[in-house]
Amino acid sequence: DQQVKQNSPSLSVQEGRISILNCDYTNSMFDYFLWYKKYPAEGPTFLISISSIKDKNEDGRFTVFLNKSAKHLSLHIVPSQPGDSAVYFCAASGSPGTYKYIFGTGTRLKVLA
Amino acid sequence: GAGVSQSPSNKVTEKGKDVELRCDPISGHTALYWYRQSLGQGLEFLIYFQGNSAPDKSGLPSDRFSAERTGGSVSTLTIQRTQQEDSAVYLCASSPQGRGGTGELFFGEGSRLTVL
Repeated sequence: DQQVKQNSPSLSVQEGRISILNCDYTNSMFDYFLWYKKYPAEGPTFLISISSIKDKNEDGRFTVFLNKSAKHLSLHIVPSQPGDSAVYFCAASGSPGTYKYIFGTGTRLKVLA
Repeated sequence: GAGVSQSPSNKVTEKGKDVELRCDPISGHTALYWYRQSLGQGLEFLIYFQGNSAPDKSGLPSDRFSAERTGGSVSTLTIQRTQQEDSAVYLCASSPQGRGGTGELFFGEGSRLTVL
């Protein structure tokens, strides 16, 4: 049972345009969400997070939106740059007293110059 | 070093052999995680250690898999009688968590296991 789903395995965007990566979850207990970026042969690196008490969090070119009623979050990258080309994972946690993170299957973003 | 260190970076073994993968977390981090990424798949949770609490082993795929964390620091993931489906990149992460922590995980570069 995949509790965190990223239904788009890949996405191509032109440089300078907006990239929107989507993530859906099924467990209503999840209350903390993170996005990670992964380059080939490297470990994932933290990008941005959001708590369920918020519906938006911004950090420079990166914005994460959370829609709790729809159990959906999205990552917006504006403007997209070729260096953003990587695999993006969303992760969710929420079991009280634990920080076990469940990751999605990832979306491979390719930003075209 | 400043980051999470994993060894070996690459391991090729024959089916049926045992392997040990090591993770050295960031000093002071109380939480340690093991994940694996099979070819074309996402990050699959395996096990989570938090301080002196009993580990959350709910993600271990079979009893051939075990992990320990000695002295609250270094962790070893052991796979007994390896099978070809165990081939994957095994990722370790640590976090300075306790209550009030940010929840960010710091990942190592992974150990790529190939079972022939």
